[in-house]
Amino acid sequence: DARVTQTPRDKVTEMGQEVTMRCQPILGHNTVFWYRQTMKQGLELLAYFRNRAPLDDSGMPKDRFSAEMPDATLATLKIQPSEPRDSAVYFCASGLSTYEQYFGPGTRLTVT
Amino acid sequence: GENVEQHPSTLSVQEGDSAVIKCTYSDSASNYFPWYKQELGKGPQLIIDIRSNVGEKKDQRIAVTLNKTAKHFSLHITETQPEDSAVYFCAASTQAGTALIFGKGTTLSVSS
Repeated sequence: DARVTQTPRDKVTEMGQEVTMRCQPILGHNTVFWYRQTMKQGLELLAYFRNRAPLDDSGMPKDRFSAEMPDATLATLKIQPSEPRDSAVYFCASGLSTYEQYFGPGTRLTVT
Repeated sequence: GENVEQHPSTLSVQEGDSAVIKCTYSDSASNYFPWYKQELGKGPQLIIDIRSNVGEKKDQRIAVTLNKTAKHFSLHITETQPEDSAVYFCAASTQAGTALIFGKGTTLSVSS
């Protein structure tokens, strides 16, 4: 049963620290998405990649967030420096296009 | 850009009753409409989807209808069961292959 995996599942950090979240997409999927979920804003798209190339990162605060795909089996989302308002659940999803998307279990980030 | 509105935000039903969740979208170019179910502590899971060339699609107790003229689509769950309790999200995507735009979600509670 192919699944998207994300690490860590939970992260608590202090304001100003760097946070790196990792995602392993389903093997063979060429499109990878990063979403952020909060009670207030719901599911927000941060960035997405196709064939490892960034297609849209307009939802991401550029000054502190960065997303990369070092290879086809790994996507990373980095926040530096982290702020309390970054506290949220971050989801990675993968698919063969922008249509069917399969979500990972998420990383719950708490910035104190 | 696309905007997706979802109603109601909460829905409580008795076991065995039907539940209906409705969404409207703004971009007439949208042609793909998936529904996701999110259980507590998990990532959203794709449960059914419909494309613009189809008016209705059914999968066991779940059905989705699409009215392109009115730009709205609905999720119908029949014979609800306690395990249907979750947050349901609708989404839309355009022909340009842009990323999914999600509604704010509906919390469905099924009481036995």
